[in-house]
Amino acid sequence: EAQVTQNPRYLITVTGKKLTVTCSQNMNHEYMSWYRQDPGLGLRQIYYSMNVEVTDKGDVPEGYKVSRKEKRNFPLILESPSPNQTSLYFCASSLGGQPMHFGDGTRLSIL
Amino acid sequence: AQSVSQHNHHVILSEAASLELGCNYSYGGTVNLFWYVQYPGQHLQLLLKYFSGDPLVKGIKGFEAEFIKSKFSFNLRKPSVQWSDTAEYFCAVKPSSGSARQLTFGSGTQLTVLP
Repeated sequence: EAQVTQNPRYLITVTGKKLTVTCSQNMNHEYMSWYRQDPGLGLRQIYYSMNVEVTDKGDVPEGYKVSRKEKRNFPLILESPSPNQTSLYFCASSLGGQPMHFGDGTRLSIL
Repeated sequence: AQSVSQHNHHVILSEAASLELGCNYSYGGTVNLFWYVQYPGQHLQLLLKYFSGDPLVKGIKGFEAEFIKSKFSFNLRKPSVQWSDTAEYFCAVKPSSGSARQLTFGSGTQLTVLP
């Protein structure tokens, strides 16, 4: 089954404690992206990757890092999380200009 | 850069009522348009898309949308909503010649359908 898998689904942590949210897709998609979803703001792009070893900042990259060492994986790293990064995060992938496939989301709470 | 406006933040309807959710975009060139739906606690799913051709697009679950180029609009419609349509709906736009990176989402419309 074609899917984008994110882990964990829920995480409560404290300020400053490094965390990684994993994302994996099994569709051989070249393009992958991370979004955060906040009430009233819709989805805002954090980082994206056009292919292996090719990543770039989206609209709200501050406080986040990513890597793309393999085509299927695109982890999101928060080196020193802060409360303003409390949000719902979605990973997505697509092929060419086709519609995105989204993961189930990761709800992060940073105290 | 393009932008997307969804003017209705929260819509409340009774079952069997007709639905129309507004979506307007700003971009000077040709675009690809999408509607996504997010059911409570779930990920976004594609409802329908417009790339070219017939401006009236039919999607899943009885939804349709009409692209009106002169109005820069892509409104979502459904003749008769059901309780199970309660969800958040997102309009998104991308330049036709652009990459996925250029996909821009609206702020979403929360639809509540009362039984």
